[in-house]
This record gives sequence, C-alpha cells and structure tokens, in this order.
Amino acid sequence: AQTVTQSQPEMSVQEAETVTLSCTYDTSENNYYLFWYKQPPSRQMILVIRQEAYKQQNATENRFSVNFQKAAKSFSLKISDSQLGDTAMYFCAFMKHETSGSRLTFGEGTQLTVNP
Amino acid sequence: NAGVMQNPRHLVRRRGQEARLRCSPMKGHSHVYWYRQLPEEGLKFMVYLQKENIIDESGMPKERFSAEFPKEGPSILRIQQVVRGDSAAYFCASSPVGRVGYTFGSGTRLTVV
Repeated sequence: AQTVTQSQPEMSVQEAETVTLSCTYDTSENNYYLFWYKQPPSRQMILVIRQEAYKQQNATENRFSVNFQKAAKSFSLKISDSQLGDTAMYFCAFMKHETSGSRLTFGEGTQLTVNP
Repeated sequence: NAGVMQNPRHLVRRRGQEARLRCSPMKGHSHVYWYRQLPEEGLKFMVYLQKENIIDESGMPKERFSAEFPKEGPSILRIQQVVRGDSAAYFCASSPVGRVGYTFGSGTRLTVV
C-alpha cells in the first residue's frame, strides 16, 4: 500500500515571496504519478501540477515547480511570487500507473496562507 | 463541455435516514471515483466504477454504503441509516479511458443532524 506524508500542517508566506511545501511518499512501485492539488475555501479540487516518475526533469507550471527526488521519495512544491489567491489547502497525491483507472492516495494537506 | 456535476451541493439528513449523492461524469469519461473528506483531513478513496461495474470498492465501509454507475444516468453513492460520523464532504471524479488525470466535481457536503 502507498502512503503520502505532508509534515507541515500549516505554513504562511508574505505576498511576492517564495514558499516550499514538503511531501514524502512510500511505495514499492516503479511507475507512478505524483500530483499537487489545491483546495481553496470553495472546496473545489484544482490540479496544480503533475509529475511522471519516469521523467527525471522536474515539472513546472508558471509560478509552480516541483523538486522530485525519486530515490528519496520526496516531492516538494515551490510556489514563487506568492499571490493572495494562492491561499488554500494543498494536497500531495500519489497514483500508481495502471492501463485502466487508478485511485489517488492523498496526504493530509498543508494549509497555506499568503499574507499581504 | 460541462465538468463533473455533483448534486446536491449540500445535503442535511437526520440520523437513520438515507442519503443519495449523484455524480454525472464529464462527457466521454467512463471511469468514476468517489472520495470522502472528513473535517480537517485529506481525501480518502472509497470506490472506483465503470459503467455497470464496480472495479475497486476496497475503500468503502462494509455496511450501509453502496455505489452504482448504471448504463444510463449518473453514478449514485447511497448511504443508508446515516450516523453523525458520516458527516463529510463527498467528492466524485471522472477520467477517460487510457489517460491519466482526474476531473473533480465540487463535492456534496453531507451533514447528519
């Protein structure tokens, strides 16, 4: 079974600064995907970024980037130039590679607050 | 192209009543997943369905909970004889065949009073 651990229940950052959210996971799988989801107060689950385990290059989406360390089973999210709208709960998630559908295993989340 | 539609958005039930949560996947998506989010926690997998088939229900409580995804119509998550501990947000997600990536609905918040 897979497990995902987010060790920071809460974090805060000043607007325009950079913040890094931590995530570690445990799996015996070799092919898998990792995700960061954002959940604002509206409760909607929004995909922030996705990483395929077979790719060595770290994924980047505008101000969001990851540091994927496969051997260490670490998958941190860096948010640059933080904006007030980034305030949300952030969830790290793992998905095993399957030819058909597969479940997501989520961490417990990190509540990020961006202060003006 | 409408996203994943869940209804109702909020549902209040008295203890002992039945709760029925509906999910219409995105057009072209044949895989449906249900997740539960208890207060202050992450989402926990409940069940994975394809049309007329339950593929993986390993996350479903053994009693009172059931799910279906009929040939026609939305997927239904049914909770019988609800208890206070069932109060949570229930999320549905869908995905297409052979591709990675979910689209989540906005969730149904169930409150048991």
